[in-house]
Amino acid sequence: EVKLVESGGGLVKPGGSLRLSCTASGFIFSSYSINWVRQAPGKGLDWVSAISSGSRYTHYADSVKGRFTISRDNAKNSVYLQMNNLRAEDTAVYYCAREGGAGAESGDAFDFWGQGTMVTVSA
Amino acid sequence: SYELKQPPSVSVSPGQTARITCSGDALPDHYVYWYQQKPGQAPTLIVYKDTERPSGIPERFSGSSSGTTVTLTISGVQAEDEADYYCQSAHSSVTYVLFGGGTKLTVL
Repeated sequence: EVKLVESGGGLVKPGGSLRLSCTASGFIFSSYSINWVRQAPGKGLDWVSAISSGSRYTHYADSVKGRFTISRDNAKNSVYLQMNNLRAEDTAVYYCAREGGAGAESGDAFDFWGQGTMVTVSA
Repeated sequence: SYELKQPPSVSVSPGQTARITCSGDALPDHYVYWYQQKPGQAPTLIVYKDTERPSGIPERFSGSSSGTTVTLTISGVQAEDEADYYCQSAHSSVTYVLFGGGTKLTVL
């Protein structure tokens, strides 16, 4: 069974930092790109960042570029999102999602999602 | 800036057909994916590559594409289909991934 579990969320003050983790199981983790997607309370889905299977490529939304850093450790089946200089508008549930990829039947779809971890940025 | 446009809400009675559109200038060049999200849950993939349905997704969910608009059709809507629906495009020249604003489907 494919499973993605996020952790590391919490309450942080503006300007603070937080590191989210996404730990996967049930598939060959090193073969898949992983994305972070967030959802502010009562709002829609907002793509944040992506990392390729071997960490060669990383991508960021303009809203987080320069503040967030995505990384992964394939030996630990984990992806991380280091979030620095956090702002109130970063308050959201953060989901990690597996990207099927070019070789997958589903293409670039996010075929499996974790249940999310809440990040609250407030003084 | 480039965006995917969805209607904020769609309402249908049980058994009727719901159609949710997603429009974007670059859509003819990129596949679209559809997700269903129920309250308090993570999104679930329901259509990929414009028209394909993952295993386990009911046949009443289907996708179609025409020019700059893609459409998610739910035939014979059931009460359990009440949810938010999001379209998503990938790897455009503007951004790596883009989601539409979402459509809330209400089953009357």
